[in-house]
Amino acid sequence: EAQVTQNPRYLITVTGKKLTVTCSQNMNHEYMSWYRQDPGLGLRQIYYSMNVEVTDKGDVPEGYKVSRKEKRNFPLILESPSPNQTSLYFCASSPPGLSNEKLFFGSGTQLSVL
Amino acid sequence: AQSVTQPDIHITVSEGASLELRCNYSYGATPYLFWYVQSPGQGLQLLLKYFSGDTLVQGIKGFEAEFKRSQSSFNLRKPSVHWSDAAEYFCAAAGGNTGKLIFGQGTTLQVKP
Repeated sequence: EAQVTQNPRYLITVTGKKLTVTCSQNMNHEYMSWYRQDPGLGLRQIYYSMNVEVTDKGDVPEGYKVSRKEKRNFPLILESPSPNQTSLYFCASSPPGLSNEKLFFGSGTQLSVL
Repeated sequence: AQSVTQPDIHITVSEGASLELRCNYSYGATPYLFWYVQSPGQGLQLLLKYFSGDTLVQGIKGFEAEFKRSQSSFNLRKPSVHWSDAAEYFCAAAGGNTGKLIFGQGTTLQVKP
C-alpha cells in the first residue's frame, strides 16, 4: 500500500532532550516536506527536499534540522526542543509535478515539549 | 511577503445548502493555487488545483473553485453540502515549482442536519 509513515504518533518530552521524528515513503517520490500545524495558523512549512541530499528551509526552520540521505526517508530532528515546538507535525511526499502539489501526508505526530 | 488568507475561521451550513469558502492570496505573480481538506485526525487531501487556463476548476467530491485575478481570490464552492463534508479546509499557494507551499489558516466547516 502506498503510504507515508511517520513515527511516533504521539511524543511527550522535556525541554532540551534531543529527539527525532521519522518519516518514510514507499512511493519513490523525490519531493518530501515537513509541516507543523498550530490552531489558527494552518500548516507552516519547516523544511523541504526536492531530492536526495537536497534540502531547503521553509517558513519556520528555526530549531529544526533535517537530512535526506536516501530517497525514502526524511527525518525531522529537534536538537534541543523547547515548549514553543509543541505542535502537530506532518510529513508529506509528492511525485514530480508542476508544483509538487499532489502531496501524500503521513498521519501526523503530536509532540508535546514540557 | 507572500501570504494566503482565509477570512472565515469557522462556517456552519445546513445539509443540502450551498457552500462558499473564501481564500485570498498575496504573491508577486499569479501563484499555483490549491484547496486541501483535512478530516479529524487525518492528513490533508488535495481537492483541486489551479495552474492556468480555465478559471473555474473542478475537483473531487463535487467541489469547484473559481480563480479571480482581479480580486486575488480562489474561493471554493459546493452546490449542496453533505454531512460528510464537515472538516477543515485549507487554501494553499506555491510560486511555481519551487517546493515552497504556503497554507492559509484554515476554515472549519460544520454541517447541521
